[in-house]
Amino acid sequence: LAKTTQPISMDSYEGQEVNITCSHNNIATNDYITWYQQFPSQGPRFIIQGYKTKVTNEVASLFIPADRKSSTLSLPRVSLSDTAVYYCLVGNPGAGSYQLTFGKGTKLSVIP
Amino acid sequence: DSGVTQTPKHLITATGQRVTLRCSPRSGDLSVYWYQQSLDQGLQFLIQYYNGEERAKGNILERFSAQQFPDLHSELNLSSLELGDSALYFCASSAGTGDEETQYFGPGTRLLVL
Repeated sequence: LAKTTQPISMDSYEGQEVNITCSHNNIATNDYITWYQQFPSQGPRFIIQGYKTKVTNEVASLFIPADRKSSTLSLPRVSLSDTAVYYCLVGNPGAGSYQLTFGKGTKLSVIP
Repeated sequence: DSGVTQTPKHLITATGQRVTLRCSPRSGDLSVYWYQQSLDQGLQFLIQYYNGEERAKGNILERFSAQQFPDLHSELNLSSLELGDSALYFCASSAGTGDEETQYFGPGTRLLVL
């Protein structure tokens, strides 16, 4: 069962790049790493997913080192609307037997 | 809008009672997941169903049960409710067809046990 560890909170000014790192030392071979964003009283929303190396989409990049024991979510030029809790999730929903582990999340506060 | 619907949005009940939360997955999704989110616990995975069968079980109490029906909607039953069961309950769905599964979350049901 992969356990994840993230910083509890981070502050950033508008326009800056934010990097949030998640540790998952006992990630399994077939586990994927997924990041979700959650605003208060709303369901989490998918941001990005990866297995290894680097993945980029229109909102973020995900960096995964070769040992896959950590991952870093990178948000370029954050705005006030990026203030939210970001969760790192490790698991394989397609596998037969597994458990999905959400970390406690990182509360990102973007300051004007 | 994720395409996942949950009812009711809010539920207030008393200790010892039983409630049922309902979830309709996105069209075509075969997997349904249930999560509990309380202030001090973060997001806790409860259980997953795939095409009507239980696929994975997380930290789900024995007082809680779930099922997925032939039309793929799911219900989470919470019985003998305690004050500590007050939380947001989220349902999520995914296609269920491969390893790279994105979960789409519903808006949640806020349960308050008095």
